[in-house]
Amino acid sequence: GNSVTQMEGPVTLSEEAFLTINCTYTATGYPSLFWYVQYPGEGLQLLLKATKADDKGSNKGFEATYRKETTSFHLEKGSVQVSDSAVYFCALSDTWGYQKVTFGIGTKLQVIP
Amino acid sequence: GAVVSQHPSWVICKSGTSVKIECRSLDFQATTMFWYRQFPKQSLMLMATSNEGSKATYEQGVEKDKFLINHASLTLSTLTVTSAHPEDSSFYICSVRSTDTQYFGPGTRLTVL
Repeated sequence: GNSVTQMEGPVTLSEEAFLTINCTYTATGYPSLFWYVQYPGEGLQLLLKATKADDKGSNKGFEATYRKETTSFHLEKGSVQVSDSAVYFCALSDTWGYQKVTFGIGTKLQVIP
Repeated sequence: GAVVSQHPSWVICKSGTSVKIECRSLDFQATTMFWYRQFPKQSLMLMATSNEGSKATYEQGVEKDKFLINHASLTLSTLTVTSAHPEDSSFYICSVRSTDTQYFGPGTRLTVL
């Protein structure tokens, strides 16, 4: 079956530091890949997505590239802010049927001033 | 993207009572909605896929008689936790699918005393 592996964290960074959160996946076929963000006490918000190999998703300074050869979708941001503190979930979706989404465990990011 | 609401945002109930959680797609007609459960500091686990006008599809290990799902219209799905027990305390999140992306509601925090 499908699976998503991401670093568990927590990750603590100083403001303006570079962020990388690793994500690798196992899937049959050609899934779509996503990063979702969850702020404390809230639901998930779509951060970015990529639907095919070599696509780069980007939003709010975050970016991730769909790497089929390494089955990875690492999240990066060049300069984090305190407001980026949240839990980040890597996920994949089947592109057929009900398009079930499989989530990673989530990585908590804490940015300190 | 689609806008999804949930009601209530939080609920506290006594053990043995039933609780209904509503999920509404505000700007999109959703033939399929998804219900997830999230334990503290863990990822989202898909509970069931809710289909408008037909029976829900439950994931393995989820008791269909305990977690009743009704998808009566294209904009509303409900999850009823019957005879709730403290172990049912969790964060319940619904989502709708629009093209290849799922959009999530803000979640409902259920606490069973």
